[in-house]
Amino acid sequence: GAVVSQHPSRVICKSGTSVKIECRSLDFQATTMFWYRQFPKKSLMLMATSNEGSKATYEQGVEKDKFLINHASLTLSTLTVTSAHPEDSSFYICSAREPGLSNQPQHFGDGTRLSIL
Amino acid sequence: ELKVEQNPLFLSMQEGKNYTIYCNYSTTSDRLYWYRQDPGKSLESLFVLLSNGAVKQEGRLMASLDTKARLSTLHITAAVHDLSATYFCAVDISGTASKLTFGTGTRLQVTL
Repeated sequence: GAVVSQHPSRVICKSGTSVKIECRSLDFQATTMFWYRQFPKKSLMLMATSNEGSKATYEQGVEKDKFLINHASLTLSTLTVTSAHPEDSSFYICSAREPGLSNQPQHFGDGTRLSIL
Repeated sequence: ELKVEQNPLFLSMQEGKNYTIYCNYSTTSDRLYWYRQDPGKSLESLFVLLSNGAVKQEGRLMASLDTKARLSTLHITAAVHDLSATYFCAVDISGTASKLTFGTGTRLQVTL
């Protein structure tokens, strides 16, 4: 079945560091991918919609300069957390859906746990 | 603004018992999804409900959708410990099965 791969699975770094997270669709092309954020014991909050070949669409309250999204190919979207601070520590999950299969669920990556010291 | 609420937020139940998790949403939608999340893990798709009256069953779990009441239920029959996880419903109002709004989540703990 369709698989979405996310890398890295865990990142621990110092405050002020920029961190890049990759999301790949392994056996299908995804013109659209989604980035979510999840705090401990909370629900998933959509951060932005990543659009291949164009600018990402950010949800209200999400800083686009803080969370840079690039979707340069049909199988790869990246989320860069710039100048990360402890409050950016969270679980970040990407998802994608096979095009043409609107009755199918989105496929989620394994998530990236980001810890900023 | 779409709101998706689940009830209860936390559920502790004994093995062998039955229970229902409720998912209410505030805006018209005919696409609703149920996901399972184990601690520290990502989401696993359980059910896709695409029309009013849709009912899906897999093992001890059964999901239903009432679009008029804006309500979905996830029924657990004869719970077993392996069902312990957090369950999320998610609603799509974009009509393209793309942009999801997740419910608050229900953490299920099945005790022996």
